[in-house]
Amino acid sequence: AQTVTQSQPEMSVQEAETVTLSCTYDTSESDYYLFWYKQPPSRQMILVIRQEAYKQQNATENRFSVNFQKAAKSFSLKISDSQLGDAAMYFCAYRSASVPGGGADGLTFGKGTHLIIQP
Amino acid sequence: EPEVTQTPSHQVTQMGQEVILRCVPISNHLYFYWYRQILGQKVEFLVSFYNNEISEKSEIFDDQFSVERPDGSNFTLKIRSTKLEDSAMYFCASSHRTLSSYNSPLHFGNGTRLTVT
Repeated sequence: AQTVTQSQPEMSVQEAETVTLSCTYDTSESDYYLFWYKQPPSRQMILVIRQEAYKQQNATENRFSVNFQKAAKSFSLKISDSQLGDAAMYFCAYRSASVPGGGADGLTFGKGTHLIIQP
Repeated sequence: EPEVTQTPSHQVTQMGQEVILRCVPISNHLYFYWYRQILGQKVEFLVSFYNNEISEKSEIFDDQFSVERPDGSNFTLKIRSTKLEDSAMYFCASSHRTLSSYNSPLHFGNGTRLTVT
């Protein structure tokens, strides 16, 4: 079974600074997808960024980028120019790429990192 | 932008009662999911649903739980004989995933907070 570990229960960063949230995972599969989801106080789970394991290039979405190290099974999220609206729980998630019914169909989440933005 | 909607936002029920949590997925999505988040813990996969049947379920999803798509728009999670430990946030999600797009993201609803007393 796959596991996702987020070792930082809470992180704090000054507004406009850069912060990196760490995530490691364990899997025996070679093809999979990784995601970062954001859960603000409104509770909604919002997709921040996703990475295909077969792609060597790190995904980027505006101020958000990842450092994907497949051999190390590491998938960290970097938030540049932090804004107050970035304050939320951030969940790293893994999803198998196996065919439906042949593997884990849903996401496996880490425990989350609570990101605090200091004004 | 289309959204996944869940009702109610908060449900309080007594232990032993049955509850039905409702979800309206995004209209052109094909895969539907339920996840659970016990307070202070990680989000856990419960079940996925495709083509009017369960595609995958976790060990959490035992006989106490059932899902249904009673019509073309709603997707429900029924919890029979609720227990105190069923208290959690329950998230519905949908995806336009097809065999050629496994990385289609899940779109989550705002969740239903279930409190069992």
